[in-house]
Parts: sequence; C-alpha cells; structure tokens
Amino acid sequence: AQKITQTQPGMFVQEKEAVTLDCTYDTSDQSYGLFWYKQPSSGEMIFLIYQGSYDEQNATEGRYSLNFQKARKSANLVISASQLGDSAMYFCAFRDDKIIFGKGTRLHILP
Amino acid sequence: GAVVSQHPSRVICKSGTSVKIECRSLDFQATTMFWYRQFPKQSLMLMATSNEGSKATYEQGVEKDKFLINHASLTLSTLTVTSAHPEDSSFYICSANPFSGGAENEQFFGPGTRLTVL
Repeated sequence: AQKITQTQPGMFVQEKEAVTLDCTYDTSDQSYGLFWYKQPSSGEMIFLIYQGSYDEQNATEGRYSLNFQKARKSANLVISASQLGDSAMYFCAFRDDKIIFGKGTRLHILP
Repeated sequence: GAVVSQHPSRVICKSGTSVKIECRSLDFQATTMFWYRQFPKQSLMLMATSNEGSKATYEQGVEKDKFLINHASLTLSTLTVTSAHPEDSSFYICSANPFSGGAENEQFFGPGTRLTVL
C-alpha cells in the first residue's frame, strides 16, 4: 500500500524567508502523481502544485516549487518569500487511482 | 477552475438521526467522486470512492452500512450518515475529478460539511 509521510507537524518561519516542507512517499508504482494542498482555518482545500512521476522537471507555480527527487521518493514543497497569509496547514498527497494525504504540517509565518 | 459544491455546509443533529450530505460538480461531469473525513487537527482520511452507476468502494475500516454512498448521476454523489452518533461528528469533504482518470490531473475539492451530532 502506498504511504505518504510528512515529518514536520509544525513550523515557524519569519516572514519573507523561504520555507521547505518535507514529504516522502513509498510506492512500487511507476505512474503516480504528487500534490500539495493548503488548508486554511476555513477548511477549504486549496490546490498548490502537482508533480507527475514522469515529469523530468520540477513543478513550479508562482512562489511554490516542488523539489521532486524520484530516487529518494521525496517531494518537498518550497515556498519562496513567505507571507503572513501563508500560515495554514499544508498537506502532501499521493495519487494513483485515489488520493491519499499525509498528516500535514502546520506552518506559522511570523511578522 | 472546476467547482465542486457541498450541501449543507454545516449541520447539527440529534444522536440517532440520519444526515445526508450532497456533493455536486457544477461545471463538469465526474464519473468518480471521493469522500473524506477529517477530525480536528488531523489529516483527511479517505472513506470511499463513489462511482457513478455502481457501488461505492469503501476503505478498510469504514462501515458501508453506516455511511451510505449514492452516485446517481455524473454530477451528484450523496453521503448519508445513518443513525449518527457523537463520534461521527467530523468535517466531511468530497472531491471530484473532471477527467477520465490517470495520474496527470487535478482533484477538485468541495468546501466541506461540518457535522455535529449532539
């Protein structure tokens, strides 16, 4: 069974600094996808970025980039120039025929 | 992007009653929808995969007779929590995929339904 791990339950980062949220996964599948979602206190799930297992280049979406290291089975999220509004829960998710979520990391941006 | 709605957004009910939650894809058709449950300060746990026109596929440990799923059309899936008890109180989120499947696509989430059972 697929497994996805986020080892950082919480992080505190100074505003404007870059932050890396860790995510590792375990699978024997060749074709899969990796997602990052942001969940603010309102509860909505906000899609941030996606990386396909066959994508050779790391995905980027504005201030978000995904550091995909396939051999190490890691898919870390990098947020550049953090903002106060980035404070939220962040979930890494693995998909083959369904999406499974990691436990999440609560990110606190300090002014 | 594609929009998924859920109704109601919040429901409070007495123990022993049944509660129905609707998940609709507003501008696309979805042959598959997913139902998640999220307890406070925890992650989303997949409960079941809802397939249009066929029986839902439940994850291990999820009681199919307790959580009834009906995917009657390509834009609507319903989750009914039967004989709800306080331990069923949770945030229920659905998601849908507008494409035919595979890893190269996004999943759109509804805004969630907060169920409180007294």
